[in-house]
Amino acid sequence: DVKVTQSSRYLVKRTGEKVFLECVQDMDHENMFWYRQDPGLGLRLIYFSYDVKMKEKGDIPEGYSVSREKKERFSLILESASTNQTSMYLCASRAGGWYQETQYFGPGTRLLVL
Amino acid sequence: GEDVEQSLFLSVREGDSSVINCTYTDSSSTYLYWYKQEPGAGLQLLTYIFSNMDMKQDQRLTVLLNKKDKHLSLRIADTQTGDSAIYFCAETSYAGNNRKLIWGLGTSLAVNP
Repeated sequence: DVKVTQSSRYLVKRTGEKVFLECVQDMDHENMFWYRQDPGLGLRLIYFSYDVKMKEKGDIPEGYSVSREKKERFSLILESASTNQTSMYLCASRAGGWYQETQYFGPGTRLLVL
Repeated sequence: GEDVEQSLFLSVREGDSSVINCTYTDSSSTYLYWYKQEPGAGLQLLTYIFSNMDMKQDQRLTVLLNKKDKHLSLRIADTQTGDSAIYFCAETSYAGNNRKLIWGLGTSLAVNP
């Protein structure tokens, strides 16, 4: 069974703080993803990574950065948190290979920025 | 560009069948997915269908794919209160060497006892 874990279920931070969201997968997947989920907007892709130290911008990368130093771990960084980054953050992973499309999700981190 | 559309709400009575519909735009999609999200949780893969199939059945779930109309549906037989959740449809998208999923906004299914 694929397992994707996220470091926190709930986080409360203050405006301007640096925030780290961690995601770990145990299936040796090449690809990892960070989404945010907001009511009425569905899932929006922030960044993804297809290999260690590789990253690609998704649809809404502004205000975020990522780090992938090890294959199993993908971190999302909010350099200076703002209230409009209050959201549910979902991490996902996917195996490599052309026909490996299925993404497996973590439980999500609900972030509140005050 | 690519787009996936689904109705936002569906309400059914316990024991009835639920049908959640989805339309997509990318005819080159190889896989189409249904994910389920229970309150406060992440997304759970429910089922998927490969684009060369018309139908896939898995216990109470039936997926129908009409490639001509780019229409995907998920039927849940004998719907239970535990099926109350948000259901997301997603299609695969290929842009150069990148593959990603294009998501619908989700259909919130309410099951009434």
